[in-house]
Amino acid sequence: DGGITQSPKYLFRKEGQNVTLSCEQNLNHDAMYWYRQDPGQGLRLIYYSQIVNDFQKGDIAEGYSVSREKKESFPLTVTSAQKNPTAFYLCASGGDRGLNGELFFGEGSRLTVL
Amino acid sequence: QKEVEQNSGPLSVPEGAIASLNCTYSDRGSQSFFWYRQYSGKSPELIMFIYSNGDKEDGRFTAQLNKASQYVSLLIRDSQPSDSATYLCAVNSWESGGGADGLTFGKGTHLIIQP
Repeated sequence: DGGITQSPKYLFRKEGQNVTLSCEQNLNHDAMYWYRQDPGQGLRLIYYSQIVNDFQKGDIAEGYSVSREKKESFPLTVTSAQKNPTAFYLCASGGDRGLNGELFFGEGSRLTVL
Repeated sequence: QKEVEQNSGPLSVPEGAIASLNCTYSDRGSQSFFWYRQYSGKSPELIMFIYSNGDKEDGRFTAQLNKASQYVSLLIRDSQPSDSATYLCAVNSWESGGGADGLTFGKGTHLIIQP
């Protein structure tokens, strides 16, 4: 079945450590996105990529990094520079039917910093 | 700063009744409007979108848009316990070039359908 796979689902990290969250899609979508969601908050855009080998900062990119070496993959690294990394991270890909807000989400990765 | 406002709730509705969820937005240039449903601990899922003023119906769901008042709503008829979730309103404008990177999400309304 087509969809978006995020891993790991749960992750614990010590302060000062970098961690990489995986996102893979087989929907053949060009655009991919990373969002962060905190309790009682809306989704905030971290990074996005409209095409392979290109990506742009979103609203809260500080302390994060991404790569887009393949169309199917858009991993997110949460670096030690991110001051408050505990959150629910959502990867999404963009539909290509002209619906500019139609996003397909993965199941999310919940990161907890100990 | 583009803002999308929703009442956080919880909004409690008896089973079988109509649930009405509201959303206001600040950017008059907004052109497309989306409702996502998010179950607790899960990821959001698109359930409705609307571009034009008026109503758009899809099964038990109706989206209503009033651009003059900068107001969009979601009605759920014959509410079921399985409709209990958080509903996120999202708004986009053509200024962003049409990409989903231009989406602004509200914080969501927590809906509870009481059996």
